[in-house]
Amino acid sequence: NAGVTQTPKFRVLKTGQSMTLLCAQDMNHEYMYWYRQDPGMGLRLIHYSVGEGTTAKGEVPDGYNVSRLKKQNFLLGLESAAPSQTSVYFCASRRGGDTYGYTFGSGTRLTVV
Amino acid sequence: GQQVMQIPQYQHVQEGEDFTTYCNSSTTLSNIQWYKQRPGGHPVFLIQLVKSGEVKKQKRLTFQFGEAKKNSSLHITATQTTDVGTYFCAGRRSAGNMLTFGGGTRLMVKP
Repeated sequence: NAGVTQTPKFRVLKTGQSMTLLCAQDMNHEYMYWYRQDPGMGLRLIHYSVGEGTTAKGEVPDGYNVSRLKKQNFLLGLESAAPSQTSVYFCASRRGGDTYGYTFGSGTRLTVV
Repeated sequence: GQQVMQIPQYQHVQEGEDFTTYCNSSTTLSNIQWYKQRPGGHPVFLIQLVKSGEVKKQKRLTFQFGEAKKNSSLHITATQTTDVGTYFCAGRRSAGNMLTFGGGTRLMVKP
């Protein structure tokens, strides 16, 4: 049981380049989330999904897009990377119902130069 | 929008001392969760509190949810070096709503 797997673990992009971060979970969780973590700012929600085929904006969605074509995968895309998107990105998932905690992936450290 | 504040931002303690972090919400919460993130790691779910005035314990960790359901605390008794990390609270304003994370308290323990 791998839990939540994020790929890649590290990436360096040039300004203007695009990339996709992949999150995969094998726990049959309904809900999936993308967060970014910056020093001193905690975790901020980018986008989330409450089920296959559905996505919604979080707190800081600008510059990102997401897709959830399959229940187990949640993709985060950066169409034109900017230095302000340098961050650590975490994916999380949880079961339906409010009594469950989030299971986080190990994160992707992205640097945009 | 909903804000969740945590204090202190940093705390240095000597091993064996107690530690407390406080979480305050600008709105009443339906429940609150606590997470621990080790240095270089990812957040790991510790516990959820739901009821007004609720107190839960996990070994040396004691979690409290305020009577008004707007604040919470995490107390660690007799810290150990393995307690090092950042502790986050995360509040949910109402059922089905998103969690809002606090900024975290980074705990450092001197052996």
